[in-house]
Amino acid sequence: DSGVTQTPKHLITATGQRVTLRCSPRSGDLSVYWYQQSLDQGLQFLIHYYNGEERAKGNILERFSAQQFPDLHSELNLSSLELGDSALYFCASSPGISGHNEQFFGPGTRLTVL
Amino acid sequence: QKEVEQDPGPLSVPEGAIVSLNCTYSNSAFQYFMWYRQYSRKGPELLMYTYSSGNKEDGRFTAQVDKSSKYISLFIRDSQPSDSATYLCAIVGSNYKLTFGKGTLLTVNP
Repeated sequence: DSGVTQTPKHLITATGQRVTLRCSPRSGDLSVYWYQQSLDQGLQFLIHYYNGEERAKGNILERFSAQQFPDLHSELNLSSLELGDSALYFCASSPGISGHNEQFFGPGTRLTVL
Repeated sequence: QKEVEQDPGPLSVPEGAIVSLNCTYSNSAFQYFMWYRQYSRKGPELLMYTYSSGNKEDGRFTAQVDKSSKYISLFIRDSQPSDSATYLCAIVGSNYKLTFGKGTLLTVNP
């Protein structure tokens, strides 16, 4: 158990809908990272927050947005969902701001868009 | 050319075999090199970490980096069925963004 929690574990929804994925980092970790994992693309970095501020963006679509709250938990919002958004979404946390620190991954949320 | 290339396998070996997993990368600015292991239905976990060329050993695992060839390897000695997982190389560049390979699925058969 990495200490990172993600809810929900599974999410099934329809095209065009909007969903929110939630992540609670390890106690004391200030950085939260979001990743998308699919069979064809592998594990893709989406976005990084440090202590409430956005630090880096990766391959995140404009339909997706995220935020980190004062209590350091983070939410990833996915809107106007398409079939291709079906994937595993992972949250990871680390103590510091740099990407070379070890990142601790949560168990993931499996999103299925029908 | 993708930033990080990794043969997806799958790779199937008998228990006790030596396993070699490899990645190549294109950007010479990459500075830190990691291997993550991901068991089925779990998140990845850090296995090995190095920032320089050469070898780093940890028990049955050896990580090797050749910056001149932009090539990294993970060797597993005396492989065990519990090593069956997907292995992902991960590389950090000057912007501190972590770029993952697609992962190699390894099965160690008893």
